Amino acid sequence: QVQLVQSGAEVKKPGASVKVSCKASGYTFTNYYIHWVRQAPGQGLEWMGIINPSGGSTSYAQKFQGRVTMTRDTSTTTLYMQLSSLRSEDTAVFYCARDNGGVDYWGQGTLVTVSS
Amino acid sequence: SYELTQPPSVSVSPGHTARITCSGDALPKKYAYWYQQKSGQAPVLVIYEDSKRPSGIPERFSGSSSGTMATLTISGAQVEDEADYYCYSTDSSGYPSFGGGTKLTVL
Repeated sequence: QVQLVQSGAEVKKPGASVKVSCKASGYTFTNYYIHWVRQAPGQGLEWMGIINPSGGSTSYAQKFQGRVTMTRDTSTTTLYMQLSSLRSEDTAVFYCARDNGGVDYWGQGTLVTVSS
Repeated sequence: SYELTQPPSVSVSPGHTARITCSGDALPKKYAYWYQQKSGQAPVLVIYEDSKRPSGIPERFSGSSSGTMATLTISGAQVEDEADYYCYSTDSSGYPSFGGGTKLTVL
């Protein structure tokens, strides 16, 4: 069965960076793009960007351009999302999610708390 | 960025029909997808490609799309359907976006 298993919760100080991982299994890793989605407390889903695990190409939402980097490791079928220059407003749950035309499977989410 | 507009909240009595709308300029040419998110949980796909239901999703969930509006219908809503619902689609260039979400109250 398709599974996306994300890394655990993180606490970061303002100005720091965070790197969230997403381990994919149960399907051919290189056949499906992966989205990253942010959800601030009590807020809606916000699309951050997408990565093609096959070639590594990416497309980022304009809002996150310059601060986000999405990468993958095909040897371990793991995706990564790094967000830099963190501020308190970045406190949120971050999800990886598989693209199949639309999003079909989601990771369990990773809570990132930014606090001094 | 591409805007998909949903009502912030919808209320329905148990056993009645709830309808949640999503409007977007590209919906005449792009599919809509719908997600259910219960408190503290990851979203779950309930409708894909406007009107298809994934396996395991109850038949009371259905979807439709006409013009610039997609609709999620829950026929005979149950208390356990109380959740936030999000639509998803892309603009004409393929840029993805989520609607703002609709809180469904069943009481």
